[in-house]
Amino acid sequence: GEDVEQSLFLSVREGDSSVINCTYTDSSSTYLYWYKQEPGAGLQLLTYIFSNMDMKQDQRLTVLLNKKDKHLSLRIADTQTGDSAIYFCAEKNAGNNRKLIWGLGTSLAVNP
Amino acid sequence: EAGVAQSPRYKIIEKRQSVAFWCNPISGHATLYWYQQILGQGPKLLIQFQNNGVVDDSQLPKDRFSAERLKGVDSTLKIQPAKLEDSAVYLCASSTDSKPYEQYFGPGTRLTVT
Repeated sequence: GEDVEQSLFLSVREGDSSVINCTYTDSSSTYLYWYKQEPGAGLQLLTYIFSNMDMKQDQRLTVLLNKKDKHLSLRIADTQTGDSAIYFCAEKNAGNNRKLIWGLGTSLAVNP
Repeated sequence: EAGVAQSPRYKIIEKRQSVAFWCNPISGHATLYWYQQILGQGPKLLIQFQNNGVVDDSQLPKDRFSAERLKGVDSTLKIQPAKLEDSAVYLCASSTDSKPYEQYFGPGTRLTVT
């Protein structure tokens, strides 16, 4: 069945790069997403990548997609304390339904 | 552009009581979603509307949960009667027909059932 997995915790020092990883099982995935959730807030769409792309860069964010290994990563350059949040990986399959399949989220802690 | 609005932000009720949540999507967004997010988990889709029609309600516990979007804009989600396990954040999201792959979320309603 469809499944998205992420490591639950990541701790980095301010100024370092963070890499958050995600694996998925659905080979028919068309879009893969990264959402950010700060405490007490809703989910903020950070970026997404179409499945025919290998990489997407947006300012401090770099998304890498390895379709063969069904592996998605989010790299945050020069991580700041304001980046502390839970990061969710999600994927959308090729069906007509626009349902997203979500991971459990990776809690990123940025230490000064 | 105004974001997705939800109210109330917080609600505390006793089990077996009823509760309703309201969502106003981004203007022009035809698709509206209700999600349930239990602490420590990712969001779980409860129901998806395309305009005022239901696209997917396969994970909605229909014995106690109901949702409507009568005029294809605002939506309400109701729980009647509530159970302890319904304690969660209820998130509303919306997307456009031209970019259905981009879902934008509201701040959520945190429900505590005691």
